[in-house]
Amino acid sequence: AQSVTQLDSQVPVFEEAPVELRCNYSSSVSVYLFWYVQYPNQGLQLLLKYLSGSTLVKGINGFEAEFNKSQTSFHLRKPSVHISDTAEYFCAVSKQGGSEKLVFGKGTKLTVNP
Amino acid sequence: EAQVTQNPRYLITVTGKKLTVTCSQNMNHEYMSWYRQDPGLGLRQIYYSMNVEVTDKGDVPEGYKVSRKEKRNFPLILESPSPNQTSLYFCASRRDRSYNSPLHFGNGTRLTVT
Repeated sequence: AQSVTQLDSQVPVFEEAPVELRCNYSSSVSVYLFWYVQYPNQGLQLLLKYLSGSTLVKGINGFEAEFNKSQTSFHLRKPSVHISDTAEYFCAVSKQGGSEKLVFGKGTKLTVNP
Repeated sequence: EAQVTQNPRYLITVTGKKLTVTCSQNMNHEYMSWYRQDPGLGLRQIYYSMNVEVTDKGDVPEGYKVSRKEKRNFPLILESPSPNQTSLYFCASRRDRSYNSPLHFGNGTRLTVT
C-alpha cells in the first residue's frame, strides 16, 4: 500500500521569500504523485502532477515540484510567495496503472505574512 | 461552468437523525468519490464509484451509504449519524478511472452531529 508523509504541518514565511513544502512517499510499486491546494472555505484543486517523463513538474501559480525516486520525495517549491498563496497544501500518491485509490498526506498549512 | 455541487454547505443535526448530503457534477464524469477531512488526518476516502450502479468502499466506509443511480449524482447517506461523524465532507469527480484526468472537488459540506 502507498503512504504519504508531509513533514511539516505548518510553514510560516514572509512575502516574496522562497518556500519548500516537503513530501515523502512510500510504495513498493511505481507511483503517480500530485499536489493539491485548498484555499480557505473551498475544495481542493490540482496544483500539479507527476505521471512520467521529466522529473521537474511545473504547475499553476508559479509552483513546481521535483520527483526524486531515490529519495522517494516530491517536494513543492516556489521561488517567491505572495499573500494569496496562503492555503493548505496536500501531497497525494496513487499506484501507477489507473488505480482508483488516491492517498493524501495530512496537509501543510502555508501562511504568508507581509 | 464545469463544477461539482454539494448541498448543503453547512448542516447541524442530532445523533440518529438520518441525513443525505447531495453531490452533482455537470461534466459527464464516470468516477465520483466522497472524502472526509479532519484536522491532522488529511483527507480519507469514504466511498467511490466507477460508474452508474458501481460503488465500492474506501478507507472509512463505516456509518455511511452511497448510491449511483444516475451518472451526475452521488449522494452520501448517514442513516444514523453519530458525533464522530462530525467532519468536513468533500465530493469529487474525475473523467474516468485514469489519473491522467484531474479530480474536481466540490466546496465541501461541514457537518456537525450533536
